Amino acid sequence: SYVLTQPPSVSVAPGQTARITCGGNNIGSKSVHWYQQKPGLAPVLVVYDDSDRPSGIPERFSGSNSGNTATLTISRVEAGDEADYYCQVWHSSSDPPVVFGGGTKLTVL
Amino acid sequence: QVQLVQSGAEVKKPGASVKVSCKASGYSLTSYGIHWVRQAPGQRLEWMGWINAGNGNTKYSQKFQGRVTITSDTSASTANMELSSLRSEDTAVYYCARDQGELVFDYWGQGTLVTVSS
Repeated sequence: SYVLTQPPSVSVAPGQTARITCGGNNIGSKSVHWYQQKPGLAPVLVVYDDSDRPSGIPERFSGSNSGNTATLTISRVEAGDEADYYCQVWHSSSDPPVVFGGGTKLTVL
Repeated sequence: QVQLVQSGAEVKKPGASVKVSCKASGYSLTSYGIHWVRQAPGQRLEWMGWINAGNGNTKYSQKFQGRVTITSDTSASTANMELSSLRSEDTAVYYCARDQGELVFDYWGQGTLVTVSS
C-alpha cells in the first residue's frame, strides 16, 4: 500500500509561518489534499488539489507539491489554527486507494 | 447549506453488527459519492469504502471486505454503513464524507462513536 509520512508535531509562535510536510513516493505526480481536525470535531478541508482553497478558507493557508514532498503552509499563524492536520491522496493501484497521512499536531506557542 | 447528519453513538458486544446512517441535505445524494472513514482513538484517519449513490456502485478497502456493506436510500437521502463481526479494534469514530470529485472530501458528518466492549 502507498504510505504518506508526516511529522508528528510542529510548533510555531503566533504570527509566524508553519510548514507541515507530507512525504510519499513520487507524491508530486498526485493531487494532495489537506484537512484540519480540531479535538472532538470532524475534519475540515483546507487545501485540495495541491494548492486550491475551498471557499471560506483564509488565504493564509496554501500548499505546494513536488518530488517526494507536499507541503501545507500556514502564514501568520493564529491560536485558532492549533489542530491536527492530515494529508490525503488517491493512489489507484494500491489498497486502500484513498490514503491519509499519520497527521501532524500543530501547536501554537 | 450542505449538511451530513449521522446517527447517534452505539455500544456493541464483540461479534455483533452496527449500522451507521448519514442523512444528506442541501444537495442531491445521487449527485455525489459518499465515503466512510473511521478514526480509532489517537489514530490516523482510515478509509473504509464508498458508494456512488447515483448508481449504487460500491468499493471497499480490502481490510474490511466481507465485513462492511455500504448502501444508500435515495428516497430518504441517506447513506448507510454496516460493519459486522465487530471486535474491540473496531472501536472508533466513524465519519461519512461527501466526495466533491476526484476523491476530495468537502463535507463531513459529525461522526458516530462506536464502542465495542464485552
